[in-house]
Amino acid sequence: NAGVTQTPKFRILKIGQSMTLQCTQDMNHNYMYWYRQDPGMGLKLIYYSVGAGITDKGEVPNGYNVSRSTTEDFPLRLELAAPSQTSVYFCASSLKGMDAGKGYFGPGTRLTVL
Amino acid sequence: TQLLEQSPQFLSIQEGENLTVYCNSSSVFSSLQWYRQEPGEGPVLLVTVVTGGEVKKLKRLTFQFGDARKDSSLHITAAQPGDTGLYLCAGGAGSARQLTFGSGTQLTVLP
Repeated sequence: NAGVTQTPKFRILKIGQSMTLQCTQDMNHNYMYWYRQDPGMGLKLIYYSVGAGITDKGEVPNGYNVSRSTTEDFPLRLELAAPSQTSVYFCASSLKGMDAGKGYFGPGTRLTVL
Repeated sequence: TQLLEQSPQFLSIQEGENLTVYCNSSSVFSSLQWYRQEPGEGPVLLVTVVTGGEVKKLKRLTFQFGDARKDSSLHITAAQPGDTGLYLCAGGAGSARQLTFGSGTQLTVLP
């Protein structure tokens, strides 16, 4: 049982480049989330999805886009990378919502924008 | 915006000592969760508390949710080096069933 997988694990981008962070879960969870974690800080919600075809903005959505075409996949797109997007990105999933407990996080993608 | 403040931010103690980490807010949360995160990994859920005044124990860890559901504490008895990590509290609220995270407490237990 793989749980939540994220790729890549590390990435360095130049300013203005674009990339997609991949997230896949094999638990048939309805809810999926993207968080970012800056050094010494907690996690901030970027986007979330309550099911295939449904996405919405979180606390810090600017500069990012998402899609949810299947239950399993929830990719995060950075169109024009900026140094402020240097962070560790975590994808999470939950059957009934993170606040109900039993949420699962992926191992993270460490992104550096130079 | 709901905020959760954790204290202390850093804590370094000797093996065998006891410690308490606090998580405070001016907002009411429907649930409060505690996570532990190790370097290079995602957070792992330790416990969820949902009732004001609720106390849960997980081996040497005791979690308490405040009566008003605005604050929580994590107490570790006889800390061990394996307890070292970043402890995050997170409050549940909103229609998105999402979490608001505190800034974390970095705990180091020295052998």
